[in-house]
Amino acid sequence: TQLLEQSPQFLSIQEGENLTVYCNSSSVFSSLQWYRQEPGEGPVLLVTVVTGGEVKKLKRLTFQFGDARKDSSLHITAAQPGDTGLYLCAGVEGDYKLSFGAGTTVTVRA
Amino acid sequence: SQTIHQWPATLVQPVGSPLSLECTVEGTSNPNLYWYRQAAGRGLQLLFYSIGIDQISSEVPQNLSASRPQDRQFILSSKKLLLSDSGFYLCAWSSSYEQYFGPGTRLTVT
Repeated sequence: TQLLEQSPQFLSIQEGENLTVYCNSSSVFSSLQWYRQEPGEGPVLLVTVVTGGEVKKLKRLTFQFGDARKDSSLHITAAQPGDTGLYLCAGVEGDYKLSFGAGTTVTVRA
Repeated sequence: SQTIHQWPATLVQPVGSPLSLECTVEGTSNPNLYWYRQAAGRGLQLLFYSIGIDQISSEVPQNLSASRPQDRQFILSSKKLLLSDSGFYLCAWSSSYEQYFGPGTRLTVT
């Protein structure tokens, strides 16, 4: 199993501020996914990035896949309380499996 | 559209008792199915995955087992629960790399 490290582990910011979450590995992934999970619920897929250097935008969320396909970042602009949750990155291993990072808990205070 | 169900939603069981968690998927055929366990606020640990009936792979040796009696049904079992089996159990399905999660089962072993 390939290891994915997420940083920071916890992030607490005021509404309207920006934040960035990082996902790093020493291994190359064919693609990488970001999920958001709210307490007591299952993770929900936000985006899949496939190409090295790729940037995808989802409203106020910007996802970037590193050129070497070993790392990724999630940037949220003007965060809102609804952005609160556990953000998980996951790298695709082989044909069927994902390797998940430990997650970043984001709290946006109103 | 596809939906995934898990039950029960919560479960409190004494140490040494058996366990059966059920997951069913609707709206798709021959999905890949997964069982994960999640510690509070942390990443997902893959327990089992199945790419078809009678094709189940175990990722972590422990006192849990999985079965797939029907194409869209995945069951997680134990003959004797340990305290360390407490956690949030998530079932997921996929037809490619992207996984879609159920609502989860909160298991507390007392």
